[in-house]
Amino acid sequence: QKEVEQNSGPLSVPEGAIASLNCTYSDRVSQSFFWYRQYSGKSPELIMSIYSNGDKEDGRFTAQLNKASQYVSLLIRDSQPSDSATYLCAGLPLGFGNEKLTFGTGTRLTIIP
Amino acid sequence: DGGITQSPKYLFRKEGQNVTLSCEQNLNHDAMYWYRQDPGQGLRLIYYSQIVNDFQKGDIAEGYSVSREKKESFPLTVTSAQKNPTAFYLCASSIRDTRLGELFFGEGSRLTVL
Repeated sequence: QKEVEQNSGPLSVPEGAIASLNCTYSDRVSQSFFWYRQYSGKSPELIMSIYSNGDKEDGRFTAQLNKASQYVSLLIRDSQPSDSATYLCAGLPLGFGNEKLTFGTGTRLTIIP
Repeated sequence: DGGITQSPKYLFRKEGQNVTLSCEQNLNHDAMYWYRQDPGQGLRLIYYSQIVNDFQKGDIAEGYSVSREKKESFPLTVTSAQKNPTAFYLCASSIRDTRLGELFFGEGSRLTVL
């Protein structure tokens, strides 16, 4: 298993619906997780981080972490066309610096007006 | 405004030539990183530096070199030894040891080898 795996998509969601992006990971990266958004041709930007089991909400975004099942997800409520981008999941093992961040290949999300 | 500036945005290189990508940050961050992004692959770490005059190899350092003579600057040289250099190169920085996982990226440099 790759250390961090994502479905590459593309994932198409109607405007106003909930977009659900998923990521699974191996034991090596099982501590903190981060979601980056990358618009086409641009650089990634951090939108959510989650460190413990459960849900974390920030505006229209909710990150969910389930360590028992080794998956992390990002929900986007009330999807907007501006949410169309590639979303990168990244994991970081406990006790290590950012040089150990492991990125998934990204899921391309398209919001259909 | 604080940020990371990469240049050039687009670069074409003939085979056998070395090329240097510039990365400058005014965020006062200690740590800087170079990543490579290829279609269908995640970001892969080339080199990183946590302090001036010190840098470490990442996962795919072969064919690349860096320097860190100033806190603000972390240039990457793609040498002729790099077998497949065509890619999107991203420079990033972070606050050392805190806010782990939070990287600030430059706009990227797209290198094409002809």
